[in-house]
Formats: sequence, C-alpha cells, structure tokens
Amino acid sequence: DAGVTQSPTHLIKTRGQQVTLRCSPKSGHDTVSWYQQALGQGPQFIFQYYEEEERQRGNFPDRFSGHQFPNYSSELNVNALLLGDSALYLCASNPAIRRETQYFGPGTRLLVL
Amino acid sequence: GEDVEQSLFLSVREGDSSVINCTYTDSSSTYLYWYKQEPGAGLQLLTYIFSNMDMKQDQRLTVLLNKKDKHLSLRIADTQTGDSAIYFCAGEGGADGLTFGKGTHLIIQP
Repeated sequence: DAGVTQSPTHLIKTRGQQVTLRCSPKSGHDTVSWYQQALGQGPQFIFQYYEEEERQRGNFPDRFSGHQFPNYSSELNVNALLLGDSALYLCASNPAIRRETQYFGPGTRLLVL
Repeated sequence: GEDVEQSLFLSVREGDSSVINCTYTDSSSTYLYWYKQEPGAGLQLLTYIFSNMDMKQDQRLTVLLNKKDKHLSLRIADTQTGDSAIYFCAGEGGADGLTFGKGTHLIIQP
C-alpha cells in the first residue's frame, strides 16, 4: 500500500500564476482533505472532498478550489498566486466511515516568487 | 472555532520520558489527535483518543485527556533520538476539518 501520494514534491511559481497540485488517497479511502502549512505553523484546513463534492471548507478565499475524481484522487487549484501562498500543501485521506484515521501525504512545497 | 495551544519547545534526555501538553477550546471535538512531523516530511498519525476516554496507551505512547480542563497530553516513554521531531496536537473543528496547534519541537539530549 503506497499510502497517500502527492505530486509534484516541489514547485516554484511567480505571483499571479495559477497552480494545480495532485493527491492520490490511501487505498480504501474515499475522503480527501487539503491543508496549508506555512513555515513554523501548524497545518490549516482548506477544504474536504467526498463523493466528488466539496463537503467542508475552511477560511480560505475562492482563489483556492478543488476537485475530486471518481477514483477518489483530488486536485487543489490556486489562482492568482500571492507571495503568502508559499507553503507546504498537505493532502490527507480517510474512509468516510472512519474519520478518526486521517493519514497525510508528504506534501507539495510551493514557493511563490 | 477551535483553538489549540501548545508549548513550542521541549528538551529531554535520551531514555527519559517526554510529556507534551496541549490545551483546546472546543469541547465538542469527538476525537483528539497527536501527529508527528520530521524535517521535510508530512504528518504521521501517532495516535488519537475518543472524547469519552480518559487515557489511551499504545506501546511507548500514553495519551491523557482531561475534558474538564480541556487538556491533552502525550507521554513518550524511553525517549530515543528517533523521536526528535515536531509534535502536533489537533482537534476536530466540526465543519472546519482538523484544527492544529503550532507544534512542539521535541529536542533529545544525549
């Protein structure tokens, strides 16, 4: 079992650009959540997807959007990048019936210049 | 929403027990979690405790929950150099996913 995988591992973008990050959940998991972890901080919840719909959303602007595919994989899109969007973006997955077992991927480190 | 507080650093000697503390504000959290993060890596789920439990033990890890004081602790017995990492406490924020503290840096002295 590969666990939660994310791609790419690192990414450099410039202000104003758009970025797409990808996540494949752990086998058997149907719920995917995205978190942003700024340097020196704890992760902050962006949103959660289940059955291809956004189920929960944290306090992030509409520039942050996502998608879940029928195979449960997910994408995080960020438009009009700001310097403050530089962070480690973490994907987590869990089975919907076992929300207490939320497993994280290694993350994608995004640097916005 | 939920607010989670942790001390930033803890230094212990190898072989001693480490106790990492956390306070939270949302008493409706059904589960409370401890995650470990090593440098440059994602988060590793160490353990979780259901809100109607007072204690949970899992090998070298012991979690204590004081619901009255909204206090959670993680005890690591016989701390080893491989335990050096950042430890995050997290609670369920209802509609806000998991809410994390800023993390406690565990430093192991030889």
